[in-house]
Amino acid sequence: DAKTTQPNSMESNEEEPVHLPCNHSTISGTDYIHWYRQLPSQGPEYVIHGLTSNVNNRMASLAIAEDRKSSTLILHRATLRDAAVYYCILRDVFSPGYGQNFVFGPGTRLSVLP
Amino acid sequence: KAGVTQTPRYLIKTRGQQVTLSCSPISGHRSVSWYQQTPGQGLQFLFEYFSETQRNKGNFPGRFSGRQFSNSRSEMNVSTLELGDSALYLCASSLEGREPYNEQFFGPGTRLTVL
Repeated sequence: DAKTTQPNSMESNEEEPVHLPCNHSTISGTDYIHWYRQLPSQGPEYVIHGLTSNVNNRMASLAIAEDRKSSTLILHRATLRDAAVYYCILRDVFSPGYGQNFVFGPGTRLSVLP
Repeated sequence: KAGVTQTPRYLIKTRGQQVTLSCSPISGHRSVSWYQQTPGQGLQFLFEYFSETQRNKGNFPGRFSGRQFSNSRSEMNVSTLELGDSALYLCASSLEGREPYNEQFFGPGTRLTVL
């Protein structure tokens, strides 16, 4: 699976939008982009995923660059509960032995200030 | 629907001992994956089981093993514990595992301390 690069940490004010970037310059055409987050003292939880088009769900939006070499996770109004480590992960659906074997990088630690 | 449960939540062992951790996936989920999380190495994939068969394996020594039962419950075993095995062990389940939209649901983890 291709690698991703994320900033180590970011800060945001409560109730403001947050844009979390992820670079994946070696992404292949069959790589899906997944985002998970890990709240303090909890296991990771799914946030959103996409392939080519921008995606929205109740938690966040995923904006994917036209060349797919980068993507941005958008939290529309950050709350204190959104303080977590956010992981951007690529999964190639056609890689041998494809299954649930995510490769997590160090992620971005998001701090939300009241 | 109940989430992924892991037992025990905390465990203290000494070097050389062995340990077995248990994971009960969400009802209906057939894929169970195990991860190790440490401050230095982050989240690392151990192995994945699907229909009682190991489908994927990470880069861990043979001291780490696992199995899955017919009801999809899974156990992982670490033999001859080393200090470096101290970590949070996370279990995740998903429906089938191969489709990209099958999100993984993680349990709260088992905190293992090796003295």
